[in-house]
Formats: sequence, structure tokens, C-alpha cells
Amino acid sequence: KQEVTQIPAALSVPEGENLVLNCSFTDSAIYNLQWFRQDPGKGLTSLLLIQSSQREQTSGRLNASLDKSSGRSTLYIAASQPGDSATYLCAVRQNNAGNMLTFGGGTRLMVKP
Amino acid sequence: KAGVTQTPRYLIKTRGQQVTLSCSPISGHRSVSWYQQTPGQGLQFLFEYFSETQRNKGNFPGRFSGRQFSNSRSEMNVSTLELGDSALYLCASSLAPGSTEAFFGQGTRLTVV
Repeated sequence: KQEVTQIPAALSVPEGENLVLNCSFTDSAIYNLQWFRQDPGKGLTSLLLIQSSQREQTSGRLNASLDKSSGRSTLYIAASQPGDSATYLCAVRQNNAGNMLTFGGGTRLMVKP
Repeated sequence: KAGVTQTPRYLIKTRGQQVTLSCSPISGHRSVSWYQQTPGQGLQFLFEYFSETQRNKGNFPGRFSGRQFSNSRSEMNVSTLELGDSALYLCASSLAPGSTEAFFGQGTRLTVV
């Protein structure tokens, strides 16, 4: 059974810092991995999708990498801003499992002005 | 292009009642998945529908059911509500199973009293 872990569970940084969020998964037979952002009480906003054949994806100040063999992904946020404060979730989609996503517990990020 | 629409946004129900939640996917998307989010368990997969057929089901009791209509809109139903069913219910929309990015709605906040 796939298990997804995110470390740290919470993170507080001053504005302007570059930071890395970690995601690990136990079963490397994944189809793809997706990073989401969730603001309190709201739905999930898709940030980046990495297919299993890819090593990384970039969007603006965000860069996500994937090392499938070691079961790890990282989300790099450059020059953090207070507006980046949210919970960040990673989710994996297994081979032959349709669109079922297995989520990590999330990293709650606070960026202080 | 409209996003994923979930109705209602908020619901308060009494134990023992039943409830129906609705999800309209992004136009052209035919895969709809449902998730339950609670502080204790995080995000957990309920079920996935594609072309009016349930493709996957998570580990939830039979009180949780769903269906998908020919226009891809989906409903989920919870019967005999329990206090523990209080949660944010999220719907995700994708073009097709497996290959593509999942987009989430704002969720329905269900409170059982």
C-alpha cells in the first residue's frame, strides 16, 4: 500500500528565503506526482504535475523534482513571499489506479513579512 | 473556462440523516473523483467515476455512495450520517483516468451535529 510522507509538517520562514519542501513515497510504481496548494478552508490548487519519466518541472518561482527510484520529490520555492503562506500537499498516482491520488499529510508554510 | 463547481458549499445535518453533494467537472473532463478531508486523517480517496462507471473505490463503508451522469456531473451520497462524517468533501476533475492533471473544486463543508 502506497504511503506518502511530507517533511516538515510545518515551516515558518522570513520573507525572501528560498525553501525546500520534501515528499517521499514508499512504492516507486507511480504514474505521476502532483503538488498542490491549499489555503485554509479552501479547495486544492494544482501547482505542478511531474510525469514518472520526468525529472523536474518549473512554474515561475516553483520548481519540483522527482527521483522515482528513491521515492522522493522536492518542491523548491524561490524568494518566498507572504502570499505563499498555505499548506502544500503532494500526491502520487499509481500505475493502473486510474485517477486515485494518495496524499501526504502536507507542509503548513508561513512566510513572515 | 469554468472550474470545478461543488454545491452546496456548506451543509449542517443531524446524525442519522442523509446528504447528497454535487460536483460539476470542468467542461470536457469525464473523470470525477471524490475525497474526504479531515484534520485527523488528511485527504482520503472515496471513489472515482469515468463514463458513468465507478472505476475505483476507497476504504469507506457502504453508507458512502456515488454516481455519475451522462453529462459527467457527479453526486455523492452519505446515508445514516455519523458525527465522524463531518469533513470537507472535495471533488477532482480530470480529462481521463491516469494520465492527466487533477483539478479540484472548493469543496463542501459538511457538519454533522
